[in-house]
Amino acid sequence: SQTIHQWPATLVQPVGSPLSLECTVEGTSNPNLYWYRQAAGRGLQLLFYSVGIGQISSEVPQNLSASRPQDRQFILSSKKLLLSDSGFYLCAWFVGQMNTEAFFGQGTRLTVV
Amino acid sequence: QQPVQSPQAVILREGEDAVINCSSSKALYSVHWYRQKHGEAPVFLMILLKGGEQKGHDKISASFNEKKQQSSLYLTASQLSYSGTYFCGTDQGAQKLVFGQGTRLTINP
Repeated sequence: SQTIHQWPATLVQPVGSPLSLECTVEGTSNPNLYWYRQAAGRGLQLLFYSVGIGQISSEVPQNLSASRPQDRQFILSSKKLLLSDSGFYLCAWFVGQMNTEAFFGQGTRLTVV
Repeated sequence: QQPVQSPQAVILREGEDAVINCSSSKALYSVHWYRQKHGEAPVFLMILLKGGEQKGHDKISASFNEKKQQSSLYLTASQLSYSGTYFCGTDQGAQKLVFGQGTRLTINP
């Protein structure tokens, strides 16, 4: 069966520290992968998406970056966190032409202090 | 461009009905509806692909207008379990899925 793993579940990091969030998918191949961020009480902001290995589309130019080193692995990174990076980060994936549901990971709650 | 949802928040008594709207300035390839409970990941409700399409299950249904620029989610005889934030997601082409700002639904006994 298809599953998505996202970790860690919670993270508290000081301002200026680096960040690495990982998302992996099992049970499928060549998924479309997405990173969203949700500030407290707000909507889902699309950060990055990828339709294949090494292919990253960026929606947010700030201090975040994404990479897809393997077909089913999607990594969100930052070299130096800002207070405004706090939020709930969600990884999601699709198979095919987006005519079916997106599957979400359980999310990472990041607090930058 | 982010789709626009309305209303931003709704408070109902159990058993009442609600309608949540999602609109875009241009035609969409598809519309997805999700519900998110506090602190959890969004859960898929349904997807609409064709202009004029209507679909639903249980007491939750949705429609997609002919021009494919607006979708509505209908919740009838609401239950306490319907509480949460509802998001519409729109496929804007090139596999890009963008969500509206969400509608917070509160159901009181």
